[in-house]
Amino acid sequence: GDSVTQMEGPVTLSEEAFLTINCTYTATGYPSLFWYVQYPGEGLQLLLKATKADDKGSNKGFEATYRKETTSFHLEKGSVQVSDSAVYFCALLYNQGGKLIFGQGTELSVKP
Amino acid sequence: AAGVIQSPRHLIKEKRETATLKCYPIPRHDTVYWYQQGPGQDPQFLISFYEKMQSDKGSIPDRFSAQQFSDYHSELNMSSLELGDSALYFCASSRLAGDTDTQYFGPGTRLTVL
Repeated sequence: GDSVTQMEGPVTLSEEAFLTINCTYTATGYPSLFWYVQYPGEGLQLLLKATKADDKGSNKGFEATYRKETTSFHLEKGSVQVSDSAVYFCALLYNQGGKLIFGQGTELSVKP
Repeated sequence: AAGVIQSPRHLIKEKRETATLKCYPIPRHDTVYWYQQGPGQDPQFLISFYEKMQSDKGSIPDRFSAQQFSDYHSELNMSSLELGDSALYFCASSRLAGDTDTQYFGPGTRLTVL
């Protein structure tokens, strides 16, 4: 079945370090791909999305490119801040109105 | 901008009791989704509604039921609560009529079953 796999956390970085969180998916079609972020004690916030191959989503310095050939949607940021500490979820969606399928989440901790 | 509203934010119940969670979608959104997130887990889809009709169903126990009302708000009813039902319950909404696939999540209701 359809699934999303993320790199295991926690990921611990120093402030201003480069961030990559790997995400790969298994799907029979061409889903839309999303990154959501969950800050401690809060709900899920949409970070960015891409709806077709080679699309790049970007927001708040974060970027991810929809790679159909490698079935990946890796999240990157050039310089992380302490305020980026959160859990990041990669997710896929087949149809508008359908269910999101999430990866297991990757916890990011950024130290000053 | 208006967001998804969920109430209550926290709920504590005893085993075998019932609970009702409410969700108020973003104005003009026509689809509501419910997800359950266990401790340290990823959110799991429970059920969704489009224009007040159930549109999809996931791993929702038979003890749970849900509906969407004429004002588009939704309620998740949970009966015979078990310890394993302790989780964060998210509601999300989207606007299919607007041709967008983005689901916007509420802050969640944290249910603790003792």
